[in-house]
Amino acid sequence: AQSVTQPDIHITVSEGASLELRCNYSYGATPYLFWYVQSPGQGLQLLLKYFSGDTLVQGIKGFEAEFKRSQSSFNLRKPSVHWSDAAEYFCAVVLSGGSYIPTFGRGTSLIVHP
Amino acid sequence: GAVVSQHPSWVICKSGTSVKIECRSLDFQATTMFWYRQFPKQSLMLMATSNEGSKATYEQGVEKDKFLINHASLTLSTLTVTSAHPEDSSFYICSADLGLAGLDNEQFFGPGTRLTVL
Repeated sequence: AQSVTQPDIHITVSEGASLELRCNYSYGATPYLFWYVQSPGQGLQLLLKYFSGDTLVQGIKGFEAEFKRSQSSFNLRKPSVHWSDAAEYFCAVVLSGGSYIPTFGRGTSLIVHP
Repeated sequence: GAVVSQHPSWVICKSGTSVKIECRSLDFQATTMFWYRQFPKQSLMLMATSNEGSKATYEQGVEKDKFLINHASLTLSTLTVTSAHPEDSSFYICSADLGLAGLDNEQFFGPGTRLTVL
């Protein structure tokens, strides 16, 4: 079945440590890939997106993500986490040729310790 | 970026009453708006797609008579939860796009409305 998987429900890191949030997809063709962040009580904000080309994508707030076709993954990374990064992170896909409405993973909650 | 607002940000109501949630695009016109529902610690589930001046398109399993959507102008869509029950308690999020072609048509999300039905 087609799906977007975020295997980690929670991730806890110390401030200043590096971060990697995992996202895997299961679709017949390579979808278009997105990462969103949702701060408590707020809507989603787009961090970055991948359509084609360079598989390492730079986003806002110092985030980057790498598309790996062989692993059907699109993991989000940040070299040094700040306390303000604590939030819910959603991976999403849009199928090529579709309606361009994203399908979201279940989210990963990032907890940052001082 | 484009800004989408929602009102109210949270609402508590009694079972059996109806609740209206507004979604506005503040600095752009949105031909299409989307309504999502998010349960605690779960992902966003698309409920319906709302097009200005026409009937909304509901996703499978969403009761159109219960979740009334009206997209009366290019900057306003409303979601009315009719005869609300405790199981309707959730976080409702709207989004709007710029009406661009293809993948440039990014969605901008509102801050959400927390509905609690007693």
